[in-house]
Amino acid sequence: DVKVTQSSRYLVKRTGEKVFLECVQDMDHENMFWYRQDPGLGLRLIYFSYDVKMKEKGDIPEGYSVSREKKERFSLILESASTNQTSMYLCASSFRDFRGGYTFGSGTRLTVV
Amino acid sequence: GENVEQHPSTLSVQEGDSAVIKCTYSDSASNYFPWYKQELGKRPQLIIDIRSNVGEKKDQRIAVTLNKTAKHFSLHITETQPEDSAVYFCAARRSGGSNYKLTFGKGTLLTVNP
Repeated sequence: DVKVTQSSRYLVKRTGEKVFLECVQDMDHENMFWYRQDPGLGLRLIYFSYDVKMKEKGDIPEGYSVSREKKERFSLILESASTNQTSMYLCASSFRDFRGGYTFGSGTRLTVV
Repeated sequence: GENVEQHPSTLSVQEGDSAVIKCTYSDSASNYFPWYKQELGKRPQLIIDIRSNVGEKKDQRIAVTLNKTAKHFSLHITETQPEDSAVYFCAARRSGGSNYKLTFGKGTLLTVNP
């Protein structure tokens, strides 16, 4: 029973393309997050949202934007993809009080060529 | 902002031995410390967490200890099994109503050899 779903498991895009990564959760979580995971660097926060239409920058927001028009959906946008954005992207969600911790999606492996 | 250091980056043990992973955090206002396990090709999953009003928490073969004075917390796995092989991440969250994010350590690759 998958509760946090990312739209694509693997994605290959060309440099300069606009890329959309979608995340949908059915857990009625208030908070949603986008992380990227790179070997040796762990999980780094790109953006997060604590409510509909609300967003805050994480630690590495440059080159990314986000959209949260509905509670269950959080989109990550790469305005102009570059090769250094090749990575595993993980979406996560949680209740506002963090009970139960984060629930992660399966991840999207993005390759920019 | 919060900074979480995790050690070691890799750990290899024999089946049946214990494994210990340690994390330190920088923000004394942090009050929530979860641990996640990520098996190869899978999503990270919460395995145990601890809040700052508790010094130790156990769940079968895993336990977490917290030392707020020293600002460090540790994951202990006893009687390790091959299925414990995975990457483990620690994390910390700062207290306060507007603090919604976790800061993660860089991860520990645990290998349990049969």
